[in-house]
Order: sequence, then structure tokens, then C-alpha cells
Amino acid sequence: GQSLEQPSEVTAVEGAIVQINCTYQTSGFYGLSWYQQHDGGAPTFLSYNGLDGLEETGRFSSFLSRSDSYGYLLLQELQMKDSASYFCAVNTGFQKLVFGTGTRLLVSP
Amino acid sequence: NAGVTQTPKFQVLKTGQSMTLQCAQDMNHNSMYWYRQDPGMGLRLIYYSASEGTTDKGEVPNGYNVSRLNKREFSLRLESAAPSQTSVYFCASRTGGGNTEAFFGQGTRLTVV
Repeated sequence: GQSLEQPSEVTAVEGAIVQINCTYQTSGFYGLSWYQQHDGGAPTFLSYNGLDGLEETGRFSSFLSRSDSYGYLLLQELQMKDSASYFCAVNTGFQKLVFGTGTRLLVSP
Repeated sequence: NAGVTQTPKFQVLKTGQSMTLQCAQDMNHNSMYWYRQDPGMGLRLIYYSASEGTTDKGEVPNGYNVSRLNKREFSLRLESAAPSQTSVYFCASRTGGGNTEAFFGQGTRLTVV
């Protein structure tokens, strides 16, 4: 089976930096991606890592280590609007896309 | 550009009833997906279609069937609804290949009583 483990909840204050980890065990691996979902909304794509290393997109960065089956999403200069759930996802091959259990981020003033 | 459109947005079914959730995308994507989302369980893959003419089981396929009607449309059918199928259902699509950006519909909130 597939397993993508994330912390269930993370809390932080405005302006801070927060890291959300994802550890995966999958039958195949063709890249790690991250999605954001606000309450009542649909998931939206944030970033993708196909190779080891750091990818930066504005205030968000994502990191991948394939040898450790591990990745993380780094959110900087946190804003209230960043309060949402964050999911990692793995393309396990043949276009099969599986998601982690999700991390709820609560940003306080 | 509508993206991914799901219908209906809300539905209440009685146990044993059947229904079909519809999904259509206008982005010429090859791959389409159905997920269910339950509190604390993340997004669980029900079925997916890597390309037109193919469908494959995901992580939780029992109790569901799918049809990839054409490149644009991918429907999910519940033949005999059960309370355990109460959930929010999301359809998604992506181009396939190395690009893993998936685009999601707004979801269908289904309650089975």
C-alpha cells in the first residue's frame, strides 16, 4: 500500500516561519507535490519537486530528499490567510496520484 | 475557462439508492481522478483514468464504479449507497506525464441516510 505521513496540526503566529513535513512509503515515486485547501474549498496546487533539493515560489519553498523518502513545505512570513490544510501528494507511477492525510495550519495574530 | 466542473454540489440519498456524480474538464487533460475526503483522512483515491479509454482502481474503490465517457468526462457511480459513503467527493484532472499539477472541481457533498 501507500503511506504519506504528515503532522495533523501545526500552529504559528503571523510573520513566523513554519515547516510541514511529509514522509512517504509508496510503490513508486515520480515526484512530490504540495496542495493547499481552505475550509469549504477545493485543493489548489502549490509546488512540485521531481528532483532532490529546494524549490522556491515566493513565500513558499518545498524540499525533497528521495534517499530519505522525505519532503517538506516551508512557509515564510506567515499571514492569516495561510490558515488552511496542506497536503503532500506523490505520483506513484502510471499517473496514479495519492495524497497524504493533511496538516491543518492555524496562524494566530 | 470553467476548469473542472462537478455536478451536483450537494446530494442526500437514502441507503440503497443509486446515483452518478458527473465531472467534466475543459483543459484537454489526459488524466482524471475521483477522491473522497473525510475528516482526518485526507484525500483518498477512489478511481482514476490515466488516459481516455482506461480506468484503474485507487485506494478505496469498493462500492463505486466509474466511466471515462470521453476525454472530457469522468463519472462516478454509487450503485447502492451506504452511510459509510457519506463524504465530500472531489474530481480532479491533470495533463499527465511529469507535471503533477492537478486541478480540482469544487466538490460534491454527499449524505447517505
